[in-house]
Amino acid sequence: SQQGEEDPQALSIQEGENATMNCSYKTSINNLQWYRQNSGRGLVHLILIRSNEREKHSGRLRVTLDTSKKSSSLLITASRAADTASYFCATDGAAGNKLTFGGGTRVLVKP
Amino acid sequence: GAGVSQSPSNKVTEKGKDVELRCDPISGHTALYWYRQSLGQGLEFLIYFQGNSAPDKSGLPSDRFSAERTGGSVSTLTIQRTQQEDSAVYLCASSLNRGPMFFGPGTRLTVL
Repeated sequence: SQQGEEDPQALSIQEGENATMNCSYKTSINNLQWYRQNSGRGLVHLILIRSNEREKHSGRLRVTLDTSKKSSSLLITASRAADTASYFCATDGAAGNKLTFGGGTRVLVKP
Repeated sequence: GAGVSQSPSNKVTEKGKDVELRCDPISGHTALYWYRQSLGQGLEFLIYFQGNSAPDKSGLPSDRFSAERTGGSVSTLTIQRTQQEDSAVYLCASSLNRGPMFFGPGTRLTVL
């Protein structure tokens, strides 16, 4: 079974708008990571947030983590057509072993 | 190397044949992962190597699947007696300890 589940499954927005997607997980974690995938091939790491962190920024990306709710959110501000991709969260277990991925959120940014 | 590489990039095989997929991780990375992804789906964990520890094989879907990592570097994923449901993109990734994962471009496997 998947550790992380993204919500929504798909998101369509206009260029310039913000995009928010959420990830829920089931067990304790050491860290949570977000990845982007274009064209169904390799994933690109976006940001890693540790279990003792609550918020992290990287450029136009903002990630929050609420360990009490076992959830995280990824916000993309001022979206661009190039942000069109699938976004996945990945979590490790408390033992810090393998990373498991959710089903992803497909984001379409319309020009 | 500059990144994770995988070969072949595409593989078409007939049902019942064996296939080998190769992954060259980033030099020095201690962890190596194999995932597979069906069209439009998420990533399904297959196997995880961490240093000299015994690999976590809990994601391998059947005993037709096996993987090895030689010398703590290159890894080969072998699928024996391939079935049509094995068709997917097989992704390899490596990381340094618990850090960010770097993915290869994947091998697209098609079983006819």
